[in-house]
Amino acid sequence: KQEVTQIPAALSVPEGENLVLNCSFTDSAIYNLQWFRQDPGKGLTSLLLIQSSQREQTSGRLNASLDKSSGRSTLYIAASQPGDSATYLCAVRSGGSQGNLIFGKGTKLSVKP
Amino acid sequence: EPEVTQTPSHQVTQMGQEVILRCVPISNHLYFYWYRQILGQKVEFLVSFYNNEISEKSEIFDDQFSVERPDGSNFTLKIRSTKLEDSAMYFCASKKDTLYPQHFGDGTRLSIL
Repeated sequence: KQEVTQIPAALSVPEGENLVLNCSFTDSAIYNLQWFRQDPGKGLTSLLLIQSSQREQTSGRLNASLDKSSGRSTLYIAASQPGDSATYLCAVRSGGSQGNLIFGKGTKLSVKP
Repeated sequence: EPEVTQTPSHQVTQMGQEVILRCVPISNHLYFYWYRQILGQKVEFLVSFYNNEISEKSEIFDDQFSVERPDGSNFTLKIRSTKLEDSAMYFCASKKDTLYPQHFGDGTRLSIL
């Protein structure tokens, strides 16, 4: 059964710092991996989608990498801003599924001005 | 940018009552999902829907749950006889095609008294 783990559970950094959020999954047979942002009491905003054949995806200050064989993904945030404060969720679509996502518990990021 | 919309934002219901949560997916999307998030826990998959039928469901999605796409735009989740443990945030998601990201609504917070 696929399990997704995110480390650390919480992270506090000063504004301007570059940071890395980690995601690991137990079964490497995935279709794709998606990173989301969740603000308190709100829905999930899709940030990046990496297909299993890809190594990384970039959007603005965000870069997500995927190492399928080792069961890991990282989300790199450059030059962090207070507006980046949110919970970041990693989710994988397993190879045998019809598309449902299996989520990690998230990393709660706080960027201090 | 098109969005997934969910109504109501908050639903309070007495235990044992039926509740219907409503979603309007993005108009040209073909795949539809319901997830839930109990406070402080991971987002969990409930059910996926494609081509007017359920394509996959989790162990959580028992006989108390049902989904419908009654008119080509709405996508509903019904809980027939609510229990206290059904209290959670329920998210609807949709995606255009199999390789595209899932887009989530802002959720309905369901509180069972």
